[in-house]
Amino acid sequence: NAGVTQTPKFRVLKTGQSMTLLCAQDMNHEYMYWYRQDPGMGLRLIHYSVGEGTTAKGEVPDGYNVSRLKKQNFLLGLESAAPSQTSVYFCASSSGINEQFFGPGTRLTVL
Amino acid sequence: GQQLNQSPQSMFIQEGEDVSMNCTSSSIFNTWLWYKQEPGEGPVLLIALYKAGELTSNGRLTAQFGITRKDSFLNISASIPSDVGIYFCGVNGGSQGNLIFGKGTKLSVKP
Repeated sequence: NAGVTQTPKFRVLKTGQSMTLLCAQDMNHEYMYWYRQDPGMGLRLIHYSVGEGTTAKGEVPDGYNVSRLKKQNFLLGLESAAPSQTSVYFCASSSGINEQFFGPGTRLTVL
Repeated sequence: GQQLNQSPQSMFIQEGEDVSMNCTSSSIFNTWLWYKQEPGEGPVLLIALYKAGELTSNGRLTAQFGITRKDSFLNISASIPSDVGIYFCGVNGGSQGNLIFGKGTKLSVKP
């Protein structure tokens, strides 16, 4: 099992550009999450999904959209990137509300 | 929102020393989780605690779920260089059913 995978690993964007981060899990988990990690801030929840076709806002959802068209995939979109969105993005999945398994992260820089 | 206070923020220790870190909250939680994040990687689950008073070991790591359900500690015995990383505590207490994380303890081990 690959677990949770994320693509791309690194990306540099210019302000105003758009992009989509892809998360895939092969553990048949119902729950999937997108977090951002910034120095001194820990992990903050952006959006999450409790099942295929469902999404919900987390702690810091502004500027991001998500979709969960397939159970194994959870996409995070930035429609118009801003420098404040420079961060490391982690996807996670779980079968319940407890133990979450994380991907390796995507390091995004917005210039 | 609910917060976890994790301490210390960072530790610089000599190889072979024991390490102790803790996480406290003003609220009661039913699950405490400990994760380790190595540089450039996503967090990896180390230990999950589900019962107040529970003491669980994973190799040289030992974690306890506080009897008041408001705290937990993680001990690492006989530290080695590969213990370097950031250790996060987490609880299942988010309003969206998500995990809430502490801000992490950064561990540095000098050979």
